[in-house]
Amino acid sequence: EAGVVQSPRYKIIEKKQPVAFWCNPISGHNTLYWYRQNLGQGPELLIRYENEEAVDDSQLPKDRFSAERLKGVDSTLKIQPAELGDSAVYLCASKAGGLLNEQFFGPGTRLTVL
Amino acid sequence: QKEVEQDPGPLSVPEGAIVSLNCTYSNSAFQYFMWYRQYSRKGPELLMYTYSSGNKEDGRFTAQVDKSSKYISLFIRDSQPSDSATYLCAGTTDSWGKLQFGAGTQVVVTP
Repeated sequence: EAGVVQSPRYKIIEKKQPVAFWCNPISGHNTLYWYRQNLGQGPELLIRYENEEAVDDSQLPKDRFSAERLKGVDSTLKIQPAELGDSAVYLCASKAGGLLNEQFFGPGTRLTVL
Repeated sequence: QKEVEQDPGPLSVPEGAIVSLNCTYSNSAFQYFMWYRQYSRKGPELLMYTYSSGNKEDGRFTAQVDKSSKYISLFIRDSQPSDSATYLCAGTTDSWGKLQFGAGTQVVVTP
């Protein structure tokens, strides 16, 4: 079974530029998460989707971040414009339905903003 | 203040030793507790989870939760160099898994 796929794996951009990250969850997983992991810190939830609906986006900085999950499968996270403080690893995770099923994480996209 | 506090380490132990990892948390509503392992340049992977207080054992790994003191522990017996990684503890109030992670403890097992 293929795991969570993320691309690109690495991205270097200059501040004020836009950037987008893509995630393909495990087949059949209805719940999808985007996390941000700063260096030396644990992941912090940005947004959670149940199918195509964003059910928890309270931690998403909506002035510059946006996300979508069309058709309830793949998801894209966008930052526009990027700031120096956005440098981090952006992790996507997915989970099957039901109580406390395991969240499976992708390898992440490492963003460096110069 | 973060809801889950964890010593970042690094924690260095010789091969075969017991690794002892700890976290404290502040949210009394946490019901589920997890330990994740994260290798360098990889995403976290779930090692163990427990519900409420108590112990849970899985092979060389034992997780303990003491809700009265808001303390979470993970023990790794007979540690191997392949156990070298960052270990993240997490808690959640609901079964849908909005996880609050600690900062992670880096563990180095030397041959």
